[in-house]
Amino acid sequence: DQQVKQNSPSLSVQEGRISILNCDYTNSMFDYFLWYKKYPAEGPTFLISISSIKDKNEDGRFTVFLNKSAKHLSLHIVPSQPGDSAVYFCAAGDRGGANSKLTFGKGITLSVRP
Amino acid sequence: GAGVSQSPSNKVTEKGKDVELRCDPISGHTALYWYRQSLGQGLEFLIYFQGNSAPDKSGLPSDRFSAERTGGSVSTLTIQRTQQEDSAVYLCASSLGVLSYGYTFGSGTRLTVV
Repeated sequence: DQQVKQNSPSLSVQEGRISILNCDYTNSMFDYFLWYKKYPAEGPTFLISISSIKDKNEDGRFTVFLNKSAKHLSLHIVPSQPGDSAVYFCAAGDRGGANSKLTFGKGITLSVRP
Repeated sequence: GAGVSQSPSNKVTEKGKDVELRCDPISGHTALYWYRQSLGQGLEFLIYFQGNSAPDKSGLPSDRFSAERTGGSVSTLTIQRTQQEDSAVYLCASSLGVLSYGYTFGSGTRLTVV
């Protein structure tokens, strides 16, 4: 049972345009959400996070939106740059749980065309 | 070191052999995680260590998998009698501790069982 779903395996956008990466979750206990970015042959690196008490968090070109009622979050990148081309993982955690284990989605491969 | 170090970076082994994967976490990080990413899949949780507490082994897929963490630092993931379905990238991450989702991942070990 996949608790964090990234249903689109890939996304291609033109440089300068907006990239929107979507993520859905099923576990209502999740209250903290993160996006990680991964380049080939490297480990994932933390990008941005959001707590369930917020519906938006912004950091430079990156904004994460959370819709708790729909159990949906999205990552917006604007403007997109070729260096943003990578695999993006959505992850969720339950801060009321006994540990800091995260549940990850399958990832979305973003390609930004020059 | 400055980051999480994993060795080897690549490992090819014959079916039925045992393998050991090593992780050196960031100094001072009390939490250590092992995840794996099989082809086309997300990051699958395997095991979590926090300080001197008993590890959370709930993600280990079979009793052929085991892990230990010596002195609260270096961790070794051992896979006995490897099978082809064990082929994956094994990722180690560390963080400051419970409820700290600021994972730092290593670059991973790509395991291929032939």
